[in-house]
Amino acid sequence: NAGVTQTPKFQVLKTGQSMTLQCAQDMNHNSMYWYRQDPGMGLRLIYYSASEGTTDKGEVPNGYNVSRLNKREFSLRLESAAPSQTSVYFCASSEESNYTFGSGTRLTVV
Amino acid sequence: AQSVAQPEDQVNVAEGNPLTVKCTYSVSGNPYLFWYVQYPNRGLQFLLKYITGDNLVKGSYGFEAEFNKSQTSFHLKKPSALVSDSALYFCAVRGPMNTGFQKLVFGTGTRLLVSP
Repeated sequence: NAGVTQTPKFQVLKTGQSMTLQCAQDMNHNSMYWYRQDPGMGLRLIYYSASEGTTDKGEVPNGYNVSRLNKREFSLRLESAAPSQTSVYFCASSEESNYTFGSGTRLTVV
Repeated sequence: AQSVAQPEDQVNVAEGNPLTVKCTYSVSGNPYLFWYVQYPNRGLQFLLKYITGDNLVKGSYGFEAEFNKSQTSFHLKKPSALVSDSALYFCAVRGPMNTGFQKLVFGTGTRLLVSP
């Protein structure tokens, strides 16, 4: 099984550009998440989707939007990228106490 | 709201010595506690979790963690460290399952450096 697949793995954007980070899981999990990881700050929750059809803000949602396209897919969109959004982004899915993380997207905004 | 504290940014230990990486938590109700490890330029790998039962939880790669409810701690331990254990370790907590949807909240991470 692939688990949680994130695309792309690396991306460089110019300030003001937009992009969508894709995430798909094949474990039939109900819940999905987007986290960002910054040095010294651990992983911070951006948005989550408790189940298909619902999305909610996490700790650091400003500048981001999400779409739970179906049970498998949960995308993260940056409408107008800023240097402060330079980070490593992780998608995760869960069912009860089982959490699976993707391998991450390293995003640099210049 | 739940929170996790990892008080040490870095832990240094010599190979063969025991290691401890500290974690304390705050959550309403009985916690679900997790440890993850991250190697350079890699994703998060699950090490172990505590949900209920025995306070000593055994996980991958010889790691274990002890749940202490009175001290609200969940320290990660290994009896004999390996150089290959050098990595970034994250503690995480979520609230109990029967209180509705609960998010997984992470600590800031502790870098473990094992010297030969």
